Amino acid sequence: DGGITQSPKYLFRKEGQNVTLSCEQNLNHDAMYWYRQDPGQGLRLIYYSQIVNDFQKGDIAEGYSVSREKKESFPLTVTSAQKNPTAFYLCASSIQAGGTWFFGPGTRLTVL
Amino acid sequence: DQQVKQNSPSLSVQEGRISILNCDYTNSMFDYFLWYKKYPAEGPTFLISISSIKDKNEDGRFTVFLNKSAKHLSLHIVPSQPGDSAVYFCAATGGYQKVTFGIGTKLQVIP
Repeated sequence: DGGITQSPKYLFRKEGQNVTLSCEQNLNHDAMYWYRQDPGQGLRLIYYSQIVNDFQKGDIAEGYSVSREKKESFPLTVTSAQKNPTAFYLCASSIQAGGTWFFGPGTRLTVL
Repeated sequence: DQQVKQNSPSLSVQEGRISILNCDYTNSMFDYFLWYKKYPAEGPTFLISISSIKDKNEDGRFTVFLNKSAKHLSLHIVPSQPGDSAVYFCAATGGYQKVTFGIGTKLQVIP
């Protein structure tokens, strides 16, 4: 079945550690995105990539890094520089020409 | 600066009645609008969309209305069912790939 997978579903991290969240899609979409959801904040864009080996900062990129070495994969690293990393992280993809965005199931990151 | 606004954080509706969720936008470059439904601890799922060349799009119990002059869109759910209880996000894009989401409206359908 086509779709987007994110792993793990729940992730715990000690303060000061980097952690990488996985996002894989088999929809053959060119564009991929990372969003963060906090209560009362809606969905905020962290990074997006329109094509392999290219990515752009979103609205809240500080403390995060990404890579796009393969079309199917867009991992997000939450670094120790991110001041409030505890949140629900959502990966999405869309066809290059725009249209509908499809979301993964999300990863709940908790920093202890 | 919120370019997509959902001013009602929550809405309660009786089962069988109509649910109306509202969304306003400020960016006149937006030309494609989407509604997503989200359950707790899950990713949003696509519900329905509308292009700026239309003023109405219908899919089963869900209808989206677009008023371009007012920069306003609404999602109507008729009849509302308890399984519709979720957070609904309005989203807009201007063809430059980035999509802007509202903060969501929590809908509760009371049996």
